[in-house]
Amino acid sequence: EDKVVQSPLSLVVHEGDTVTLNCSYEVTNFRSLLWYKQEKKAPTFLFMLTSSGIEKKSGRLSSILDKKELFSILNITATQTGDSAVYLCAVDRTGANNLFFGTGTRLTVIP
Amino acid sequence: DGGITQSPKYLFRKEGQNVTLSCEQNLNHDAMYWYRQDPGQGLRLIYYSQIVNDFQKGDIAEGYSVSREKKESFPLTVTSAQKNPTAFYLCASQMWGGEEKLFFGSGTQLSVL
Repeated sequence: EDKVVQSPLSLVVHEGDTVTLNCSYEVTNFRSLLWYKQEKKAPTFLFMLTSSGIEKKSGRLSSILDKKELFSILNITATQTGDSAVYLCAVDRTGANNLFFGTGTRLTVIP
Repeated sequence: DGGITQSPKYLFRKEGQNVTLSCEQNLNHDAMYWYRQDPGQGLRLIYYSQIVNDFQKGDIAEGYSVSREKKESFPLTVTSAQKNPTAFYLCASQMWGGEEKLFFGSGTQLSVL
């Protein structure tokens, strides 16, 4: 049975802290891993990762995939209150017609 | 501007009632999806459709029904058979190629009276 597990489930940090969110997976026919940010309603796309060891970066956010150990991390440096959201990890599988989502990590950044 | 529009934002259902959630997209995407989101459970797939007049059950289809008569529209009906319908419902569409796999609507919060 396919599994995507995110940790921690929730996290509270102070502004300026650096956080690392984890996503591990056990799926058949892995193709890519995606990260989404859900602030209030609609999740918005952050990154798609297909190759091991290649970091993707966007401003203070970065992500990397380890296909040997079957996990990905999402790093946020110098956190701001606007980073408060649920961060969703999803896996795309070859031959499947939909993404398989993890439970999400709720990040709260306090001033 | 292109996007996905879900309506209503909030919906209340009485016992034994069927309710329909609307999802319209003007992105010319072929595939559309309905997800249910409960606290602590992430997104779970209800139904999806890759082309007009065709749709497939997802992981939690029981108590739900859909139709896809037009490319732009993919309404979801929550039937009285769905005994625990209170949740946040997200509609999404997919464009082929590119990095952004799914484009989401703003969701409908359904509650039971």
